[in-house]
Amino acid sequence: LAKTTQPISMDSYEGQEVNITCSHNNIATNDYITWYQQFPSQGPRFIIQGYKTKVTNEVASLFIPADRKSSTLSLPRVSLSDTAVYYCLLGRAGSYQLTFGKGTKLSVIP
Amino acid sequence: ETGVTQSPTHLIKTRGQQVTLRCSSQSGHNTVSWYQQALGQGPQFIFQYYREEENGRGNFPPRFSGLQFPNYSSELNVNALELDDSALYLCASSFGGPGEQFFGPGTRLTVL
Repeated sequence: LAKTTQPISMDSYEGQEVNITCSHNNIATNDYITWYQQFPSQGPRFIIQGYKTKVTNEVASLFIPADRKSSTLSLPRVSLSDTAVYYCLLGRAGSYQLTFGKGTKLSVIP
Repeated sequence: ETGVTQSPTHLIKTRGQQVTLRCSSQSGHNTVSWYQQALGQGPQFIFQYYREEENGRGNFPPRFSGLQFPNYSSELNVNALELDDSALYLCASSFGGPGEQFFGPGTRLTVL
């Protein structure tokens, strides 16, 4: 699976929209893009997954450009409880594992 | 619907000992994966079990072994514990493939 690169940390004020960009220049045709959220001393939690264009669910949006070499996780109007580490991963149909990097530590400031 | 549960929550062992960690998968899920997460790092894939067979393995030595039972629950066994084995061990269940995996709260293992 191709490697992903994302910022180590980000700060945001409460109520703002946060965009976390992930780079995956060597993404393969059958790779999906998946984002997980993790709070301290808890297991990661699935946020959203997409293949191309835009995906939206009740907590986030995922924007994927046509070349799929990057993706952006968008969190609308963050609150203090959104302070967590966010991981961008690539998954492949038929593959059995998730490959996590170090993630982006998001700190939401009052 | 019951989520993924793990036991014990915390565990302290000494170097050279053996440990068994347990995981109950979410109802209906037939695939269980185990991950090791060192402090400040992302989770690292250990192995996955599907229908009681090991279905893939990460870069971990043979002293890390596992089992999956007919009810899809699973065990992770680590022999000859080393100090570097101190970590949060996470279990995740799913239907397999690239879709969503549901993680348990983890077991914090400390090796002294």
